[in-house]
Amino acid sequence: GENVEQHPSTLSVQEGDSAVIKCTYSDSASNYFPWYKQELGKRPQLIIDIRSNVGEKKDQRIAVTLNKTAKHFSLHITETQPEDSAVYFCAASMIGNQFYFGTGTSLTVIP
Amino acid sequence: DADVTQTPRNRITKTGKRIMLECSQTKGHDRMYWYRQDPGLGLRLIYYSFDVKDINKGEISDGYSVSRQAQAKFSLSLESAIPNQTALYFCATSAARGFQETQYFGPGTRLLVL
Repeated sequence: GENVEQHPSTLSVQEGDSAVIKCTYSDSASNYFPWYKQELGKRPQLIIDIRSNVGEKKDQRIAVTLNKTAKHFSLHITETQPEDSAVYFCAASMIGNQFYFGTGTSLTVIP
Repeated sequence: DADVTQTPRNRITKTGKRIMLECSQTKGHDRMYWYRQDPGLGLRLIYYSFDVKDINKGEISDGYSVSRQAQAKFSLSLESAIPNQTALYFCATSAARGFQETQYFGPGTRLLVL
């Protein structure tokens, strides 16, 4: 099955700086890559996703990039704010099939 | 997302007891999932169901069973609970149509097995 690796496991940045979280996947058939944000004590919620026919997608301060050849994708958060502090999970799947999640990155934004 | 609910929200049980965690959704989604979350291990899939008559094992199904009673209800059972099943359990749902792949999570059930 698919194997998704996520790095780093913890990340601290100063408010206003950028944060980058990276994931790699093993199955070249995967074609859908969502990112979820989980605030402390809350449920995971989708923040952005990308499909394999697209190399980059942006939504305000967050963006995701995908390199199909290298089988890796990344989450970029610019101008970080304290409310960005959370655990972020990447996932990979073939559309219509189960998700395989990474192990999560705990992001702390220091005011 | 209030459309996916889980009961109970917290549960303490003893080793060897049978317990059931329930999930209900009003989103009209066909697909439902059970995950467990452990620190440092992310979200791991226990079972999933793509419709009422379809049940599939995930990567960590041993020690668990499920029942899809209706499109809107998906229950997870621990037949004989053991301490290493202490975890946070999430139910999730998704639509089966087109590219609507987003999974919507319930609020979670925190389970402690003594």
